[in-house]
This record gives sequence, structure tokens and C-alpha cells, in this order.
Amino acid sequence: DVKVTQSSRYLVKRTGEKVFLECVQDMDHENMFWYRQDPGLGLRLIYFSYDVKMKEKGDIPEGYSVSREKKERFSLILESASTNQTSMYLCASKASSGQRNTEAFFGQGTRLTVV
Amino acid sequence: AQKITQTQPGMFVQEKEAVTLDCTYDTSDPSYGLFWYKQPSSGEMIFLIYQGSYDQQNATEGRYSLNFQKARKSANLVISASQLGDSAMYFCAMREGVTGGGNKLTFGTGTQLKVEL
Repeated sequence: DVKVTQSSRYLVKRTGEKVFLECVQDMDHENMFWYRQDPGLGLRLIYFSYDVKMKEKGDIPEGYSVSREKKERFSLILESASTNQTSMYLCASKASSGQRNTEAFFGQGTRLTVV
Repeated sequence: AQKITQTQPGMFVQEKEAVTLDCTYDTSDPSYGLFWYKQPSSGEMIFLIYQGSYDQQNATEGRYSLNFQKARKSANLVISASQLGDSAMYFCAMREGVTGGGNKLTFGTGTQLKVEL
């Protein structure tokens, strides 16, 4: 069974803390993604990576950074958490596809609350 | 600019009726793919259907079909014979290629579908 695992289901952090969200996939996928999901705004892409040590900014990278030291792991880092980063964070992974149908697989999500 | 636009925040449909969820997209990549995902209240993301930009025929998967109109840049999801279990949030997404061979995957804002008796 394919799996994308996020390290925490719920997190509560204080303003100004450095926060790490971890995501691990066991499918040997090249591509990994971090999204945040907010009501009415859908899934917004924060960062993505298509290879080890490669990273690309998504649509809302401000206040975030990422790390991909190994193919299976993609970490999202909030350098100094702020209350407007309170959200549901979703990790996904996907094989590179050309025109083939390769769906993205999602983790269970991390509900982060910054107080 | 929005890459994926879903203009219907909420939709209602009666059980056993068909419903169309709208999606338009914007890309300059000639090789792209379009996906629909379902997110029930439990929060998991469930893949429904895929359409490649070069596919000649509209994709179908059981009760789901994708009405792909390339010139209009639209990829609407049609659900036939709606069931109560179809009540969920539905997201349209687009895959584009990036330099280096990877994929960028962008989602829309979603449509909340409610199926009524």
C-alpha cells in the first residue's frame, strides 16, 4: 500500500518558534509538494521539489523554507512561526509522468495552530 | 494569475441526478495533465480522474467523466447518478512540467458539493 506519512496530525506552536513539518514517502517518487489548505482558498502550493536537494517556490513561499536531503523525505520549515501560518498543511508525492497518468498521493495532513 | 479556476464555491444536486463541476485552467505548457480529487469531511484526498493534454478522448471512470474542451481551456467534471456519498469538496488540479524534468501540481479553490434526497 502506497504511503505518504506526515510526522504530526496536530501541532500547537508559539509565535516566533521554528517549526519543522516532516513528510516521508515510500514510493520512490521524484516529486514532492507542500500545500496549505484554508477555507475558501483551496490548496495553495508553498514549495515543491523534483529531485534531491532541488526545490522550487510555489505560489506562497514567503515565511517558509524546505529541505530535501533524501529522496523519500521533504521537510517544511517555518523559520519564525506567526499566527497567520495557522492552517492545515498537506504533503503530496508524485512520480514524474510525461503524458502518463501518475496521480499524486497525499499525507493525512498536519493541523498547525500558532498561538 | 490563477492557474486553476473553480467558479462554483458550492453546489447542490438531488440524488440520482447528474451534476457538472466547472474548472478552467491557464498554461503555456503544451504537455500538461488535469486531475480531479475528492475530499470528504474526513479530510483525505481521493484521486478521481485524469486527462492528458494530448488525449483525444474524454476520460471516464465509472460515474465520473471529464468534459475536456482544450480550446476553451476547460476540464469540467461530470458526476452521473449522484449518491449521498458524493457529498464532499472537489478539487481540480493541473500538472505542468518544470525545467529539470519535474512536475508542478497546482490546485483550484474547490467546489463543495451537497447531494440531497
